[in-house]
Amino acid sequence: SQQGEEDPQALSIQEGENATMNCSYKTSINNLQWYRQNSGRGLVHLILIRSNEREKHSGRLRVTLDTSKKSSSLLITASRAADTASYFCATVLFPSGNTGKLIFGQGTTLQVKP
Amino acid sequence: EAQVTQNPRYLITVTGKKLTVTCSQNMNHEYMSWYRQDPGLGLRQIYYSMNVEVTDKGDVPEGYKVSRKEKRNFPLILESPSPNQTSLYFCASSFQYTGELFFGEGSRLTVL
Repeated sequence: SQQGEEDPQALSIQEGENATMNCSYKTSINNLQWYRQNSGRGLVHLILIRSNEREKHSGRLRVTLDTSKKSSSLLITASRAADTASYFCATVLFPSGNTGKLIFGQGTTLQVKP
Repeated sequence: EAQVTQNPRYLITVTGKKLTVTCSQNMNHEYMSWYRQDPGLGLRQIYYSMNVEVTDKGDVPEGYKVSRKEKRNFPLILESPSPNQTSLYFCASSFQYTGELFFGEGSRLTVL
């Protein structure tokens, strides 16, 4: 299985509800990043959390990182129809030397119904 | 405007006909990378470049070539495309490989 695996694969909620998606990984990481992709478009960076951080906020986004469980979660509060997209976690491996590898998970598809 | 530009955005070609997908960034980024996205498989890294003249294989490099002669450009070359290379391709760049990636809009390639 891949380094980053998101759960659930798909999520459907009503506008105003919170959405939580999870990411698990297998090896030690330098940092973990979350990206959003709108239907076949390029990915957009949302937030980066370093391995020595436990929680980070950006607007309506809250990311947690538990290195002991090798997992991260992305919480979107008070969701809007415009949040409908696919969300990917990506990990930078550590120690990485000069590998330059950023590994993406398979993504969670979020649908927010108006 | 800071951006990563890929061309072509859409291409239909035939097996064996060499093609190049160009990628250019205007942010003076050191790091550039190519990914392919396929249903159910997420994004998989093809090749990456840490700096000019420095390139290395990602997870799925077979059938692809790259070059990094200038900092801003990182073309992806398919010497002899095959139908299993039908995919959505993304170029991305970053100041350094551990940082935020900026993505192009994607190139949808169909090989018949």
